[in-house]
Amino acid sequence: SQTIHQWPATLVQPVGSPLSLECTVEGTSNPNLYWYRQAAGRGLQLLFYSVGIGQISSEVPQNLSASRPQDRQFILSSKKLLLSDSGFYLCAWSADRGYGYTFGSGTRLTVV
Amino acid sequence: GQQLNQSPQSMFIQEGEDVSMNCTSSSIFNTWLWYKQEPGEGPVLLIALYKAGELTSNGRLTAQFGITRKDSFLNISASIPSDVGIYFCAGQLSGTYKYIFGTGTRLKVLA
Repeated sequence: SQTIHQWPATLVQPVGSPLSLECTVEGTSNPNLYWYRQAAGRGLQLLFYSVGIGQISSEVPQNLSASRPQDRQFILSSKKLLLSDSGFYLCAWSADRGYGYTFGSGTRLTVV
Repeated sequence: GQQLNQSPQSMFIQEGEDVSMNCTSSSIFNTWLWYKQEPGEGPVLLIALYKAGELTSNGRLTAQFGITRKDSFLNISASIPSDVGIYFCAGQLSGTYKYIFGTGTRLKVLA
């Protein structure tokens, strides 16, 4: 069966520090991968999605970047965090276009 | 950009009551999904809809894909305390890999 792992679960970082969140999927190959951000009490905003290694599509201009160095690995990064980067970050995967997502358990990032 | 209007924003209901929420958009979607999110966790898929007009049930949950492909609703019958959470709709835009999420409906069930 397929599983998605996301870590860390919680992160507190000072403003200006770098960020690296990692997401991996097991039990499938060539998944579509997604990063979402959820601000407190709000819906999910799509940040990046990837349909293959090295293929990244960015949805919103921002302080973050994404990379997919391996088929089942998706990384969310920032060189310098801003206070506004705080939120709940969710990684998700889908098997193909038209199939629903499976989400990871999320990373709560607090920038102080 | 594309938006999904989800309503209501929040609901307080008595245990045993039925619940209805919906999502509408000006865009056409190929797929509609309904998720439930509990505090501190990722959303969990409840129901997926793939065809216009499709009506699908999952236990006490029933969802429909609107005929116009621009809307969907979710009903929960005979609510119980564990139904508490935030419910999100998500629509997949035609010809893309992207899902757009609604703003969520926060459900609280009073015992």
